[in-house]
Amino acid sequence: EIVLTQSPTTMAASPGEKVTLNCLASSSVSYMNWYQQKSGASPKLWIYGTSNLASGVPNRFSGSGSGTSYSLTISSMEAEDVATYYCLQLSSYPLTFGSGTKLEIK
Amino acid sequence: QVQLKETGPDLVQLTQTLSITCTVSGFSLTTYNVHWVRQPPGKGLEWMGAMWNGGGTDYNSAFKSRLSISRDTSKSQVFLKMNSLQTDDTAKYFCARHDWELDYWGQGVMVTVSS
Repeated sequence: EIVLTQSPTTMAASPGEKVTLNCLASSSVSYMNWYQQKSGASPKLWIYGTSNLASGVPNRFSGSGSGTSYSLTISSMEAEDVATYYCLQLSSYPLTFGSGTKLEIK
Repeated sequence: QVQLKETGPDLVQLTQTLSITCTVSGFSLTTYNVHWVRQPPGKGLEWMGAMWNGGGTDYNSAFKSRLSISRDTSKSQVFLKMNSLQTDDTAKYFCARHDWELDYWGQGVMVTVSS
């Protein structure tokens, strides 16, 4: 089973600040997906194939990485970005999620 | 448009069996796969298993002995059944469509296991 370790667990950013969330895989994966989940809601596909933005996702978001190390970056934090972000690997079964990064605003 | 909706009980007794139905619309179960994911209150997401478009299934070994996934394509429904429930099975249960990604998710159903 591939274990995904996300860091940080929680962080707070000021409006306009650049934010980077990390996801480290225990074995190499082909690509990484990211989900945004707001309180009480279902997860939403946010970034797929490591760097492709899902429909409707603002272009201040970007994704990068390869092998075992992936990241999601917000170029300029906005209040609406407050959420928990999860990475998900679909390279091997069982599918596994990271434990999430809770992003708050200062 | 693509929709998935989970229906099931709010409360299940300890050691009993959980049954949840995922009713889909806007796509065919013979074209797309459907997965089940759960989330305990305040915790992260856990993949449970999948119903493949060809009718096969795959399970997380953490559940394999007590989890069963099936479908009725004529009704566009996928079923999750899990027995021997414990209190740590209290969670919101989601179904999600799988193309290349888990792209569309249902709203989830919150199930509490009561002792």
